[in-house]
Parts: sequence; C-alpha cells; structure tokens
Amino acid sequence: AIVLNQSPSSIIASQGEKVTITCRASSSISSNYLHWYQQKPGAFPKLVIYSTSYRASGVPSRFSGSGSGTSYSFTISRVEAEDVATYYCQQGSSNPYTFGAGTKLELK
Amino acid sequence: QVQLKETGPGLVQPTQTLSITCTVSGFSLTSYYMQWVRQTPGKGLEWMGFIRSGGSTEYNSEFKSRLSISRDTSKNQVFLKMNSLKTEDTGVYYCARDQGYYSGAFDYWGQGVMVTVSS
Repeated sequence: AIVLNQSPSSIIASQGEKVTITCRASSSISSNYLHWYQQKPGAFPKLVIYSTSYRASGVPSRFSGSGSGTSYSFTISRVEAEDVATYYCQQGSSNPYTFGAGTKLELK
Repeated sequence: QVQLKETGPGLVQPTQTLSITCTVSGFSLTSYYMQWVRQTPGKGLEWMGFIRSGGSTEYNSEFKSRLSISRDTSKNQVFLKMNSLKTEDTGVYYCARDQGYYSGAFDYWGQGVMVTVSS
C-alpha cells in the first residue's frame, strides 16, 4: 500500500497568514491521482483540490496545490476563520486508495 | 442536484453483520463509480472499496474477506455489507461518488452514518 505522510500534524496560524501542508508518498504517484480534502468538525470530507492542482467547484482561489512524484503540497495563501478544519491528502492511484493522517488547522 | 444519503443501524453487536444503504439522486449509478470510506478513531479515513459504473467491484484487501458492495440501479441505491464485526469497526461510514476521469477523487459525499459495535 502507498503510505502518505502528512506534515505537520497540526498548524496554528493567524488570519491572513500563508500555510502549507506537505504530503509525501512512499511510492511515486502520477499527479492525476493526488487529491486534498477539508473536513470540518462533525462533517464529511469535502474535495478541495483534485489531481494535484485543480480546485474543485466553488473552492476559493486562496487554496492551491502542487507537486509531483512522491512530494506534494497544499497551500492556503491567506487563512480565513472559515478554513479551520482538518486537511487530508489522498491517493487514487492504486488499490488500496489511502489517506494521509490529516493536518489540523487552528487559528491563533 | 447531486445528493447521497446513508442509512443504517446505529448499533451492531460484535460478530454480527453491518448493512448500510446509500441512496443517491441527481446522477446515474451507471455513469459513476461509487466508493465506500470509513473513519475510525484507530485508523482515521480508510478506503473500503468501490462498485464500478458497470457493476463490478474492487475491495481493499484489509476488508475483502468480509466486505460486499452491491447496488440496485432501479432504486438508485448502493449497499455495503460487512460481516464478523469487531469493536474496532466502530466509526462513521460514508458513501461517496467517484469524480471520474480515472482520478480516484471523491467529489460528493453522504453525511455519513455512525456505527457503534458493542454488545
């Protein structure tokens, strides 16, 4: 199974700050198969970025993604209060599809 | 609009079988893969398996021996059945639609059903 190592496990940021989350895969993944989700407390995960860098429908432009091979990143350019959530990377390249352990974003 | 809703028992006894129904609207099951994902305190988000638009299935080997996914396209429903439940299977179970484009991204999710395995 492809293991996805996310870091950091938690971030405390101020509103307006830029935050970046890293996802490192144990094997190379085509960029088409790496995705990012946002999960707010008590809610289902919501697709934010698909295929490394494409924003899902309705997602604000402050969210972006990049990467290739085994190293991917997710960035919020200017954190807003509504962005408080846990973020997960996920690979859909090979069975079993796997998720990272999550990065919890909190506001200072 | 696209909607997914899971229904199932809140409480299941150990060794028993879990059955969850995912009812969808706003799209056709014959056009999209449907996925099952669970979230447990011990392992976080875990992909369980999917049913293809053509009806064939694929499973995570972690569950393969006790998991079954099926559907009824006339009722717009997808079913998850898992037997030999253990306390570690306690968690929230989600159905999700695969976005397509062979990406394995899940673009719509149900609200999830909380399942507690306990005697």
